[in-house]
Amino acid sequence: QMQLVQSGSELKKPGASVKLSCKASGYNFTTYAIHWVRQAPGQGLEWMGWINTNTGDPTFAQGFTGRIAFSLDTSVNTSYLLISGLKSEDTAVYYCVRGPELWGRGTLVTVSS
Amino acid sequence: DIQMTQSPSALSASVGDRVTITCRASRSIDRWLAWYQQKSGKGPKLLIYEASTLETGVPPRFSGSGSEREFSLTITSLQPEDSATYYCQQYNSYSANFGQGTKLEIK
Repeated sequence: QMQLVQSGSELKKPGASVKLSCKASGYNFTTYAIHWVRQAPGQGLEWMGWINTNTGDPTFAQGFTGRIAFSLDTSVNTSYLLISGLKSEDTAVYYCVRGPELWGRGTLVTVSS
Repeated sequence: DIQMTQSPSALSASVGDRVTITCRASRSIDRWLAWYQQKSGKGPKLLIYEASTLETGVPPRFSGSGSEREFSLTITSLQPEDSATYYCQQYNSYSANFGQGTKLEIK
């Protein structure tokens, strides 16, 4: 069946980087874009942007430019989210989505000294 | 980016009631709108897509309507398990922003 499997929880110190993965299965990976969504503790869903899985071209939401990057490895049907210069406010659950119907289970990133 | 304004931010209703949540887009999104339900500690669950199409397995007491800029999610005959936060999301353009969410409490 179609699914998106995300990497496990991460605990990072401020200033570090983290790379999250999202492995797709059960469908043609390069046919659908992958979106990334952030949810900080007790807060709403924030769309971060998406990557064209055919071309690798990224699109970032307003407010999410500068410290994030999307990438692909189509040989393993996997999309990645890289966050650099982590801050405490980056503490959140990050979801990958083949929208609107297919969501990963989320990866919790905790940024703490 | 297209902005989504959702209201109310919270509401309280009783079992058996009918409630409506609205979502307004900053410009036309045709019918490219989804509604999600999120329960505490869980990921979002798709309820409705393309404004009014019920996702497989979702109870028919959930319904969506609207087009262009104005949309609504209606839940009839509220059940205790409907206590959750509900989000709209547009996916018309190269952005896919969410509404701010509506927290539904069942009295």
